[in-house]
Amino acid sequence: KAGVTQTPRYLIKTRGQQVTLSCSPISGHRSVSWYQQTPGQGLQFLFEYFSETQRNKGNFPGRFSGRQFSNSRSEMNVSTLELGDSALYLCASSLQGTSYEQYFGPGTRLTVT
Amino acid sequence: GQQLNQSPQSMFIQEGEDVSMNCTSSSIFNTWLWYKQDPGEGPVLLIALYKAGELTSNGRLTAQFGITRKDSFLNISASIPSDVGIYFCAGHFGQGGKLIFGQGTELSVKP
Repeated sequence: KAGVTQTPRYLIKTRGQQVTLSCSPISGHRSVSWYQQTPGQGLQFLFEYFSETQRNKGNFPGRFSGRQFSNSRSEMNVSTLELGDSALYLCASSLQGTSYEQYFGPGTRLTVT
Repeated sequence: GQQLNQSPQSMFIQEGEDVSMNCTSSSIFNTWLWYKQDPGEGPVLLIALYKAGELTSNGRLTAQFGITRKDSFLNISASIPSDVGIYFCAGHFGQGGKLIFGQGTELSVKP
């Protein structure tokens, strides 16, 4: 069974621009969570989607948003990019909403200049 | 908010040695998970623990869910060079898919 895939793997954007990252969960997984990883703050939860609905949200500004499609694929969007948004963005999927074993993709490395 | 304190932050050991790392929290968690992350990759799930006192093994790895539900530890026996990486603990509480992560333990193994 294929793992979690994320596209693109690397991205360079300019401050003020917006970006969309994509995540395809493991087949059959319905829950998708997004995390931001930085050297200073570590792994921090952004939000979780289950059955196309945002079920949990972390402490990030409204510039960070996401959505989930009927096939469980998910996208996250960051508008008005800031230098501090440079990070590894990780997507994780789990089988159902009650299974907390999350399986991560390789991440998208976003660099904001 | 909930925080996890993971220690040690880094370890430098000789191949063949055993390794132990742990996570503690001021809050109760219902699930503890341990992940390993290699450079440029996403974390890989090693072990999941669901019951207080539970001891679970995965090959040379053994993890335990603390009785108080506020801590967990991971042991690696007979370390090998491919054990190099960053190990993260993660805790879960309540509903939904939010995991709280520790700051990681960076493991280096000298052949």
